[in-house]
Amino acid sequence: EAGVAQSPRYKIIEKRQSVAFWCNPISGHATLYWYQQILGQGPKLLIQFQNNGVVDDSQLPKDRFSAERLKGVDSTLKIQPAKLEDSAVYLCASSLGGRTYEQYFGPGTRLTVT
Amino acid sequence: SQQGEEDPQALSIQEGENATMNCSYKTSINNLQWYRQNSGRGLVHLILIRSNEREKHSGRLRVTLDTSKKSSSLLITASRAADTASYFCATALDTGNQFYFGTGTSLTVIP
Repeated sequence: EAGVAQSPRYKIIEKRQSVAFWCNPISGHATLYWYQQILGQGPKLLIQFQNNGVVDDSQLPKDRFSAERLKGVDSTLKIQPAKLEDSAVYLCASSLGGRTYEQYFGPGTRLTVT
Repeated sequence: SQQGEEDPQALSIQEGENATMNCSYKTSINNLQWYRQNSGRGLVHLILIRSNEREKHSGRLRVTLDTSKKSSSLLITASRAADTASYFCATALDTGNQFYFGTGTSLTVIP
């Protein structure tokens, strides 16, 4: 079974620029999560999708972050404009159902904002 | 923080020894999960324990949950160098959809 795919793996941008990350979850997984992991910290949930609907986005900085999940499969996370404090690893995860199921994580995208 | 404080922050042991790490949380949970993260990699699910369970085993892993103390522990027996990683607990709250990861324990197993 193919795992969760993410691209790009690394991205370096200047502050105030925009960036987008892509995630392809495991086939058949209804729930998709985006996390932000700052160096030395645990992942922080940004947004959770159930199929193509948003279940929770309470910790998503909506003034600059946006996310969508088209047709309930792939998802993109966008930052516009980026700030220095957005430097982090952005992790995508998927699961069969909601929070009572284990999550499968992709390798992450390491973003550096200069 | 909302949930999930691991203790200790860092742990260094010799190969073959047991490693114990603890997780404390603040509000009622539906379940608690443990994940491992190797340096520069994504997280890997280890074990899920529900709020009505007190202990679970998986291979060399043993997890306990004490809901009265709002705490959980992860025991890795007969550790191996390959167990070197960061270990995170994550809590799914009893109400709502939020899911919180803790700060992690960095485990180093010396060959």
